[in-house]
Amino acid sequence: EIVLTQSPATLSLSPGERVTLSCRASQSVFGYLAWYQQKPGQAPRLLMYDVSNRATGIPARFSGSGSGTDFTLTISSLEPEDSAIYYCHQRSRWPLTFGGGTKVEIK
Amino acid sequence: EVQLVESGGGLVQPGRSLRLSCVASGFTFGDYAMHWVRQAPGRGPEWVSSIHWNTVDIAYADSVKGRFTISRDNAKNSLYLQMDSLRAEDTALYYCSKDKAIQLWPTYFEPWGQGTQVTVSS
Repeated sequence: EIVLTQSPATLSLSPGERVTLSCRASQSVFGYLAWYQQKPGQAPRLLMYDVSNRATGIPARFSGSGSGTDFTLTISSLEPEDSAIYYCHQRSRWPLTFGGGTKVEIK
Repeated sequence: EVQLVESGGGLVQPGRSLRLSCVASGFTFGDYAMHWVRQAPGRGPEWVSSIHWNTVDIAYADSVKGRFTISRDNAKNSLYLQMDSLRAEDTALYYCSKDKAIQLWPTYFEPWGQGTQVTVSS
């Protein structure tokens, strides 16, 4: 099973700041990595897929990068509505797995 | 607009069974793989099972293999999850999700339904 480790567990930043979230895989997932955003009481929503492709309707302040085992989700300028938990997910190999999540809080 | 509506959750004793359903609309159901993903309170999502659009290719997480059965009825735009021999650790919100890509699998989960709660307790 491919284990995805996300860091940090929690981030607390001010609006307008740049946010960098990390996801590290226990083995290469090639380019088959996605990010989801989950707000309280809501289902997760696909943000990025295949590392760097924004899903439909996702603002351009979100971007993804990385390859192999190390991946990053960047929010270029944090907005209040970005307060959420962010999960990475790999589809490279069964079983499909998720990271433990990073909670982004707004100061 | 794609809609996924789950039902069938509830409170059940350990060892008993439940059958979850998911009715889909807004897309050609038979063209997409479908998935069940669950989320225990305070935890991240956990993939449970996937079924190819061909209805034949199926995958399960080890934690549910041999106890859960995924199926679909393309004529009814419906996805199912038969859950037998339920355990306390199966307690979670169960989401139905459509695969992102047409006639491929697996890719990513987009979108997700609102979920149906399953609680296993005596």
